[in-house]
Amino acid sequence: EAQVTQNPRYLITVTGKKLTVTCSQNMNHEYMSWYRQDPGLGLRQIYYSMNVEVTDKGDVPEGYKVSRKEKRNFPLILESPSPNQTSLYFCASSPKSNPYNEQFFGPGTRLTVL
Amino acid sequence: QKEVEQNSGPLSVPEGAIASLNCTYSDRGSQSFFWYRQYSGKSPELIMSIYSNGDKEDGRFTAQLNKASQYVSLLIRDSQPSDSATYLCAVNATNAGNMLTFGGGTRLMVKP
Repeated sequence: EAQVTQNPRYLITVTGKKLTVTCSQNMNHEYMSWYRQDPGLGLRQIYYSMNVEVTDKGDVPEGYKVSRKEKRNFPLILESPSPNQTSLYFCASSPKSNPYNEQFFGPGTRLTVL
Repeated sequence: QKEVEQNSGPLSVPEGAIASLNCTYSDRGSQSFFWYRQYSGKSPELIMSIYSNGDKEDGRFTAQLNKASQYVSLLIRDSQPSDSATYLCAVNATNAGNMLTFGGGTRLMVKP
């Protein structure tokens, strides 16, 4: 089954404790992206990657890191989480040829930073 | 000013009516426009894309684009309770590379 998986789905952590949210897709997609969703603000793009070893900042990259060492994986790293990073996070992937028309979203990761 | 604006709603329509959802954007050079549907607690799913001025129909859904007025709308004909969801407008601005900018979403409620 074609899918985007995220782990963990739920996470409660404390300020300053480094964490990684994993994202993996099995569709051989070149384009992958991370979004955060907050009430009334819609989805905001954090980082995206057009291919292996190619990453770019989105709208709200501060406080986040990403890496793209393999095509299928695109982890989101919070080196020192803060309460304002409490949010719902979505990973998405799509073919490079049409990055937005065929974008598949993962199930989401709800993060709470205390 | 937000780059992509939507009325947060909720927009309430009776079953069988036409639901009209609107979105305005600030970047006059934007080329690609998308409507996503998001059920509560779920991830967004793409329902329509539009690139040229005018109307694009797909089943009960019609997307309308007016670049001169910088708005894009989504019409849902014969609305069903299962259409109740939040609808997100997204725009790929020409000066934003491969970034996608979303509006805050409009919550639609279709009452039986």
